[in-house]
Amino acid sequence: DAEITQSPRHKITETGRQVTLACHQTWNHNNMFWYRQDLGHGLRLIHYSYGVQDTNKGEVSDGYSVSRSNTEDLPLTLESAASSQTSVYFCASSETIPGELFFGEGSRLTVL
Amino acid sequence: AQSVTQPDIHITVSEGASLELRCNYSYGATPYLFWYVQSPGQGLQLLLKYFSGDTLVQGIKGFEAEFKRSQSSFNLRKPSVHWSDAAEYFCAVGARYSTLTFGKGTMLLVSP
Repeated sequence: DAEITQSPRHKITETGRQVTLACHQTWNHNNMFWYRQDLGHGLRLIHYSYGVQDTNKGEVSDGYSVSRSNTEDLPLTLESAASSQTSVYFCASSETIPGELFFGEGSRLTVL
Repeated sequence: AQSVTQPDIHITVSEGASLELRCNYSYGATPYLFWYVQSPGQGLQLLLKYFSGDTLVQGIKGFEAEFKRSQSSFNLRKPSVHWSDAAEYFCAVGARYSTLTFGKGTMLLVSP
């Protein structure tokens, strides 16, 4: 079965360190998204991509970057982690825009 | 830009009772509407969606939702709640060729 996987599922890091969260999907979807989930804020869009070499900023993109070198992967990088980036991060993909989002199980990041 | 309001942060329902979760959206044209469910520690799963046509849509797990353009609402309903329905529910709105905007979620608690 097709799926979308995130790694690591849990990570603790220190302020100022670079962190990369991986996202891999086997749906062969062109569209991929990164959201963060925080209590009281729901899901907020960080970055998204509509295909290889395409990346776009979302609502809360400051301090984050993504790159899309193939269809399957959209890694999310925090260049210099801050405590405000402690959150649960979800990767998702979809076949159409807008369309059903297929979510990974999330990556819980703690920045100390 | 579109926006979504879920007025209820928490709702408690007795097992076997009916359920209605409210969702109001703001968008000028015909919206694309979704309801997702999130169990603890999991990613989000699509319950149902509305793009066009019949305003009453059926979803998985016995859920349904009704699109009411005059009220800018897309409320989620279930006639009889089971303990396994306890989860967080998110309404989302999208526009043609745009990303989804999520509400802040409603946590459903089911009492015995």
